[in-house]
Amino acid sequence: QVQLQESGPGLVKPSETLSLTCTVSGGSISSYYWSWIRQPAGKGLEWIGRIYSSGTTNHNPSLKSRVTMSVDTSKNQFSLKLSSVTAADTAVYYCARFHPVPRGPNAFDIWGQGTMVAVSS
Amino acid sequence: DIQMTQSPSSLSASVGDSVTITCRASQSISSYLIWYQQKPGKAPKLLIYAASSLQSGVPSRFSGSGSGTDFTLTISSLQPEDFATYYCQQSYSTPWTFGQGTKVEIK
Repeated sequence: QVQLQESGPGLVKPSETLSLTCTVSGGSISSYYWSWIRQPAGKGLEWIGRIYSSGTTNHNPSLKSRVTMSVDTSKNQFSLKLSSVTAADTAVYYCARFHPVPRGPNAFDIWGQGTMVAVSS
Repeated sequence: DIQMTQSPSSLSASVGDSVTITCRASQSISSYLIWYQQKPGKAPKLLIYAASSLQSGVPSRFSGSGSGTDFTLTISSLQPEDFATYYCQQSYSTPWTFGQGTKVEIK
């Protein structure tokens, strides 16, 4: 079955760039939307952005222009870069597959286990 | 952005109880409403999509209803493994947004 695995540094300094990669195993990265979602400790879920397998992206305007997403279909990976981080960016970051209609439920049906990223000097 | 508001924020219930969680959207989202269950330290799990369709493998005691702006998630006969936090999410338009969550605790 399809599995997702996040990877990247667990600690990032303020003002630097957070970089995470999600590796898709057991299935193709093609024809799905791939998203990043984060969750500060004890709080709710925030959608960061999505990338289609073709490379088309959308991101949450609340993060302004700090978000960059990319996809590498040859490696079955997609990535997130979040620039100019502050303590407010400390959270568990999840990658997830959004399975669009009509073939799927139009929902996040597969999630990674999440990776904790702390922003601190 | 479409705001999603869940109520209550938390509830206490006993095994065997029936519980209902409400999610309200700030504008009509048709039936583009999803419910997830999240347990501590784990990723969310898809329960219900398209407001009322049960994801494969999810027990039938979970059900969803609603359309437009008002939606409900009902868990009939609560089981010990159902104590968790539940989130609604709209997939009508980006930015996709989640409700703030409803924590279901053991009474």
